[in-house]
Formats: sequence, C-alpha cells, structure tokens
Amino acid sequence: NAGVTQTPKFRILKIGQSMTLQCTQDMNHNYMYWYRQDPGMGLKLIYYSVGAGITDKGEVPNGYNVSRSTTEDFPLRLELAAPSQTSVYFCASSYSSHPGGPSYEQYFGPGTRLTVT
Amino acid sequence: QKEVEQDPGPLSVPEGAIVSLNCTYSNSAFQYFMWYRQYSRKGPELLMYTYSSGNKEDGRFTAQVDKSSKYISLFIRDSQPSDSATYLCAMRYISNFGNEKLTFGTGTRLTIIP
Repeated sequence: NAGVTQTPKFRILKIGQSMTLQCTQDMNHNYMYWYRQDPGMGLKLIYYSVGAGITDKGEVPNGYNVSRSTTEDFPLRLELAAPSQTSVYFCASSYSSHPGGPSYEQYFGPGTRLTVT
Repeated sequence: QKEVEQDPGPLSVPEGAIVSLNCTYSNSAFQYFMWYRQYSRKGPELLMYTYSSGNKEDGRFTAQVDKSSKYISLFIRDSQPSDSATYLCAMRYISNFGNEKLTFGTGTRLTIIP
C-alpha cells in the first residue's frame, strides 16, 4: 500500500493564479481531510469529507474548495491564490465504522509546500 | 486562551538523555490524547494514543495524562539521534452526536545530539 499520496511536492504560484492539490489514498478509508501547517501555528483543518459526495468546512476554509467524487481522491482547489495561502498542505485519511461518527487514527500524506508570491 | 498549548522549543539534549515533552489544554471535553512525530519535510505519524489518566508505555516512549490538571506529557528514555523530530500533541473529543474534533498543539522541535 502506498498510503496517502500527494502531488505536487512543491509549487510556486503567482498571486491570483489557481491550482489543484491532489490527494489519493489506497486504504479504503471513508474519511479524508485537508490541513495546512504554518510555522508556530500547528495543523489547521481546512475541509474534511466523511464519504464520497459529502464534504464539510473545517476551521479555515476561506479561499479553498474541495470535492469528493470517489473514495480514493480528495482534491483541494485554490482559486485566486493569495500570499496568506503560503503554507504546507497535508492530506490525511482515516476509517470510521459508523459513517458520520468518530474515526480512528489519521494517516497523513507527505505534504505539498506551496509558495504564493 | 488557546485550547492546546505546547512549548515550541527548540529542545536539544545529548544522546541517552531522558526527554520530557508537555502540553496543557483548557477544554475539559477532550477525551483522547495523542502524540504525533513529524520528521523534517514529512507528514505527521501517530506515536502514542491514550484516553485515560495515567501512564501508557510503548518501548522507550511513555505517554502520561493528568486530566485533573489538564496536562499531558511524552517521555522518551535513552534518546537516540533518530528521535530528532517535531513532536505534536493532539486532543480529541467526540460529541453526543458522534461528531469529533481534533485539535493539535503547535509542536516541539527536538534535536538529540550524538
């Protein structure tokens, strides 16, 4: 199993450009998450999904969009990139035996380092 | 006041020393307590998971939870250079409706000096 994979590893965007961060997991997990990690700020939840077709906002969703058309994939879309979106983005997945209920351990991908200038 | 407070370090100790990493929290609803280890330029990985007050041991690692003081610790015995990483505490609660919230500390950067 590859676990959680993310592409690209690095990206530099100009202000106002858009891009999609890709995330795929092969563990058949029903829950998936997007976090951003800024220096000294810990991990902040952007969006999460409890299953295909279901997404919900986390703590810092502004400026981002997500979709979940399959169990495996959970792309994160940045529209009109801003310098405040410079960060390291982590995708994670976990399994819940009760959809909509609590889940078990979250497995993280290797991250995407994004710089917006 | 932040829900979870963690000393960011950095913390440098000689190889073989005992390391103590700590977090405090303010939300008494937290039920589950975790420690994640994050190597440089990698994603976090779960190291320890506990849900009750007291100690939980796994090899050289011991997680300690004191719910009355809202304080958790991670102890590393016989520290090795391979333990050099950032350690994040994380806390979780599950509501009566089954919703969960996971809150991370800011991480403590640890370096073990050979």
